[in-house]
Amino acid sequence: EAGVTQFPSHSVIEKGQTVTLRCDPISGHDNLYWYRRVMGKEIKFLLHFVKESKQDESGMPNNRFLAERTGGTYSTLKVQPAELEDSGVYFCASSHLSTYNEQFFGPGTRLTVL
Amino acid sequence: AQSVTQLGSHVSVSEGALVLLRCNYSSSVPPYLFWYVQYPNQGLQLLLKYTSAATLVKGINGFEAEFKKSETSFHLTKPSAHMSDAAEYFCAVSLSSGGYNKLIFGAGTRLAVHP
Repeated sequence: EAGVTQFPSHSVIEKGQTVTLRCDPISGHDNLYWYRRVMGKEIKFLLHFVKESKQDESGMPNNRFLAERTGGTYSTLKVQPAELEDSGVYFCASSHLSTYNEQFFGPGTRLTVL
Repeated sequence: AQSVTQLGSHVSVSEGALVLLRCNYSSSVPPYLFWYVQYPNQGLQLLLKYTSAATLVKGINGFEAEFKKSETSFHLTKPSAHMSDAAEYFCAVSLSSGGYNKLIFGAGTRLAVHP
C-alpha cells in the first residue's frame, strides 16, 4: 500500500510568487490534514478535510492560503502571494475515519521563500 | 487549551545507553497522547500511542512510554540505544477519539547516538 505522497519535495520561490503544494493521501482515507513546521519550531495544524469538506481550518494563517480537496481524493495547498514567513516544511497526513487518530504522514514539502 | 512541552531540544546518548525523552502535556480533559519519529528525509512515523487503556504503552523499535496523570507526563524510553535511533522525536496530544482530530505537537527532540 502506497503511503502519503507530497509534491514537490522542495520549492524555492521569490516573495510575491505563487506556489501550489500537492498531497495524495493513502487510498480510502477520508481524513486529510495539513500541518506546517516553521524554522525548527513545533509542527502546527493548518486544516482538516473530511472527504471534500473542510472540517476545521482554524490553523490557516491568513487568506493568502487556500486549500482544496476536489472529489475527496488529493488535496492542494496554494500560497498566493508568498511571504518570507511562509517558509517551512508543510506536512500532509491522512487517516481513516474509524482509526484512533492514527495519522499517517507524508515526507513533507520544504518551502523556501526568498 | 491543550499544549505539549518537550524538555530538551537535543539529547545525546551513547550506543547501548538508556534513552529518555521527556514530554509533559496540558489538557483539560483526558488526552490521547502520541510519540512520532522523523528520520532524515522521511515523514513522521507513529512510534506509539496512549488512548486511555494501559498506562504503559509499548511501541515499535523497543520504545515504550508511560502515562502519568499525576505528573501530566508521557516520557519516552528505550533501555538500550542503537545508532539507528538517531532521529527527531515528537510528542503530540489529541482530544478526541472520534477518528479525526488535529494533533498538537511539542517542539521536538533531536536524539543523537554516538559510539
